Amino acid sequence: GIQVEQSPPDLILQEGANSTLRCNFSDSVNNLQWFHQNPWGQLINLFYIPSGTKQNGRLSATTVATERYSLLYISSSQTTDSGVYFCAARNSGYALNFGKGTSLLVTP
Amino acid sequence: GAVVSQHPSRVICKSGTSVKIECRSLDFQATTMFWYRQFPKQSLMLMATSNEGSKATYEQGVEKDKFLINHASLTLSTLTVTSAHPEDSSFYICSARAVGLYKNRAPEAFFGQGTRLTVV
Repeated sequence: GIQVEQSPPDLILQEGANSTLRCNFSDSVNNLQWFHQNPWGQLINLFYIPSGTKQNGRLSATTVATERYSLLYISSSQTTDSGVYFCAARNSGYALNFGKGTSLLVTP
Repeated sequence: GAVVSQHPSRVICKSGTSVKIECRSLDFQATTMFWYRQFPKQSLMLMATSNEGSKATYEQGVEKDKFLINHASLTLSTLTVTSAHPEDSSFYICSARAVGLYKNRAPEAFFGQGTRLTVV
């Protein structure tokens, strides 16, 4: 199946800072999603973005399918943004393959 | 948006007993659901694909007799951990593909809240 790599593995930010999380994938995709896993384990859908750019408030994402990467931008970070961000992709079959995640800590 | 409900959110059981976890798609039909397992500070690993009306497809290394999956209807899949052992303690998450909700794009996956299983 498709391999998904995320970077950086860990990130510490001060409140108000901006950040960029990266996701590289090993093959063409027909589905790519970004998730935020909250402290209780719930996976929150952030973006469905197999290609192109989307924005939702302080978050935006861009996927360049031809170069096999996706970026998640967080602007003006808040402490509530803390948690683990996962990128997951699929190119065949039905199940998403997950990267190892980026653990984000936003400090006051 | 599509909602997937997973129950229970937490369960503690004794070694040797069985535990059933339910995954329901509340506002859409899901012919296919997926079960993942997540160890602390690790990623989600696919365990099996649950197909409505047919046998589940298990990933390599996952014991099908240990993790029984039933997908009896278009809105419900269950995972039963049989004869549980402490090493089965983990976070289990289900997912469903929302087929047909959005036109002209591949199905989006939605996830349940997860079940934290502790075997003592």
